Amino acid sequence: EIVLTQSPGTLSLSPGERATLSCRASQSISNNYLAWYQQRPGQAPRVLIYGASSRATGIPDRFSGSGSGTDFTLTISRLEPEDFAVYYCQQYGGSLFTFGPGTKVDIK
Amino acid sequence: QVQLVQSGAEVKKPGASVKVSCRASGYSFNVYYIQWVRQAPGQGLEWMGRIFPKSGATLYAQKFQGRVTMTRDTSISTAYMELTSLTSDDTAVYYCARENWYFDVWGRGTLVTVSS
Repeated sequence: EIVLTQSPGTLSLSPGERATLSCRASQSISNNYLAWYQQRPGQAPRVLIYGASSRATGIPDRFSGSGSGTDFTLTISRLEPEDFAVYYCQQYGGSLFTFGPGTKVDIK
Repeated sequence: QVQLVQSGAEVKKPGASVKVSCRASGYSFNVYYIQWVRQAPGQGLEWMGRIFPKSGATLYAQKFQGRVTMTRDTSISTAYMELTSLTSDDTAVYYCARENWYFDVWGRGTLVTVSS
């Protein structure tokens, strides 16, 4: 089973700043089957990025994903007030799915 | 539009079972996997398993093997997740999601509270 580790656990930033979130896998993720989700309090998660770098429908271009193999990054270029939330990475490999523990982006 | 509508909140006693439903609309139910994910209070997301509606084939996370059953009724585009032998550790919000290897559409979640 592939284990995902996310860092940092919490990121304290101000609106307008750049956020860089990391997701590291215990083994290489094939076909870049890595997705990122945003979860706001009291809401279901929503997909932001799939295939490591493809933005999902309706996602603003301030969100971008990069990486391959075992190291992946979600970047939010300029934080908007609605971006303060928890972010999870998720992988699909060998018919198993796992989520990372999440990174909370909160207001500094 | 594409949506998944889940059943309402449940309160169960330890040792009981719970069955959560997830009704799909706006797309062809048979050709996308339905996934189940849960989230304990203040915790992260935990994958439980999936079902392919067309065939009924299932895949469960090892942690839930023997305690979870996922089924579907294609005539009403509805998937079900039943969890047995509940304990307080099963108190969580249970989500269904449509899978396109990633989870592109989510239900709003069903809160299951296990309490004596």
